Amino acid sequence: GENVEQHPSTLSVQEGDSAVIKCTYSDSASNYFPWYKQELGKRPQLIIDIRSNVGEKKDQRIAVTLNKTAKHFSLHITETQPEDSAVYFCAVSDDYSGGYQKVTFGTGTKLQVIP
Amino acid sequence: NAGVTQTPKFQVLKTGQSMTLQCAQDMNHEYMSWYRQDPGMGLRLIHYSVGAGITDQGEVPNGYNVSRSTTEDFPLRLLSAAPSQTSVYFCASSYGQGREQYFGPGTRLTVT
Repeated sequence: GENVEQHPSTLSVQEGDSAVIKCTYSDSASNYFPWYKQELGKRPQLIIDIRSNVGEKKDQRIAVTLNKTAKHFSLHITETQPEDSAVYFCAVSDDYSGGYQKVTFGTGTKLQVIP
Repeated sequence: NAGVTQTPKFQVLKTGQSMTLQCAQDMNHEYMSWYRQDPGMGLRLIHYSVGAGITDQGEVPNGYNVSRSTTEDFPLRLLSAAPSQTSVYFCASSYGQGREQYFGPGTRLTVT
């Protein structure tokens, strides 16, 4: 099955600095790479996603880059704010399981933005 | 739209008891999944369904059963609770492949 590794497990940054979270995956056929944010005690929510035919995608202060050759993708948050403090999960999806997008999640990165 | 709803929010069980976690969605999504979330282990897929009457196992299915009689509902049954099943359980739904998953608020289960 798919193996997803996510680093770092914890990350502290000063407000206004940038944060980068990296994920690697094992199945070269994977084709959908979402990122979810989970605030304390809340449900995970999608913040950005990228597909294998795109190398980079940006949405205001967040961006995701994908390197299919190296099988890794990264989440970049610029000008961090205290409300960015949360746990971030990367995920990888394939569609070779009877037509279902089985999703494998990384183990999460706890981001703390220090005011 | 209520989105994805789950009940109960909290539950305490004794070892050996059985119970059903409820999940419902009102977005007419075909795909529904159950995950468990444990510290340091991310979200792990328990069971999933690609439509009414169709279910399959995920990464950690042992000790759990599911059924999907309608598009809206996807209950998760714990057959004989064990302390190892202490976790936070999330139900999720999505419109299709390669699409955003919408999560329910979660159920925090403790098995003593």
